[in-house]
Amino acid sequence: AAGVIQSPRHLIKEKRETATLKCYPIPRHDTVYWYQQGPGQDPQFLISFYEKMQSDKGSIPDRFSAQQFSDYHSELNMSSLELGDSALYFCASSTGTGGHNEQFFGPGTRLTVL
Amino acid sequence: GENVEQHPSTLSVQEGDSAVIKCTYSDSASNYFPWYKQELGKGPQLIIDIRSNVGEKKDQRIAVTLNKTAKHFSLHITETQPEDSAVYFCAALDYGGSQGNLIFGKGTKLSVKP
Repeated sequence: AAGVIQSPRHLIKEKRETATLKCYPIPRHDTVYWYQQGPGQDPQFLISFYEKMQSDKGSIPDRFSAQQFSDYHSELNMSSLELGDSALYFCASSTGTGGHNEQFFGPGTRLTVL
Repeated sequence: GENVEQHPSTLSVQEGDSAVIKCTYSDSASNYFPWYKQELGKGPQLIIDIRSNVGEKKDQRIAVTLNKTAKHFSLHITETQPEDSAVYFCAALDYGGSQGNLIFGKGTKLSVKP
């Protein structure tokens, strides 16, 4: 079965640079969620989109922005990167409204900020 | 908003023994509780979930129980195998926003010794 695809899988950036992470949800899934996971930590919700509109917002810094496109893929844009942004970034997708359905996670993008 | 606590943080069992991980949540409005297994360097994998209209759900060697009154839920793994070794996260759906997002516990590192 098709899973959530994330690219790139690994990314190394310098401080103050920008990064763009991409997420391709499971086919026919209309909701995308972004989570950040620091070393040894639990995933923290950043932002979500349903039918190409922002749905919920969590602890996403103002330096980050995201959107969902007409083909339902999503991109997380990160600017003015800081050392503390080094983490695993996961995208999850689900189908249906109200968050009742299961969220399936992608393999993640490991971002390292030097 | 929702808060999820998870215990223990580490758990070591002998192959063939049972493992139990417990979580509590704070928001009585939450009605969906998934469990994820995360192996090193991989994304969280949904292994079982439970909704508030049932008290127990079982899938082969894993089961989840939910006590809505006490606001706690537990994961039970029987006949553990070395490949069960991973970090397990419980989560609760937070309906603070429109679609809901997952609030995770801090995770339990399970080690199954052969």
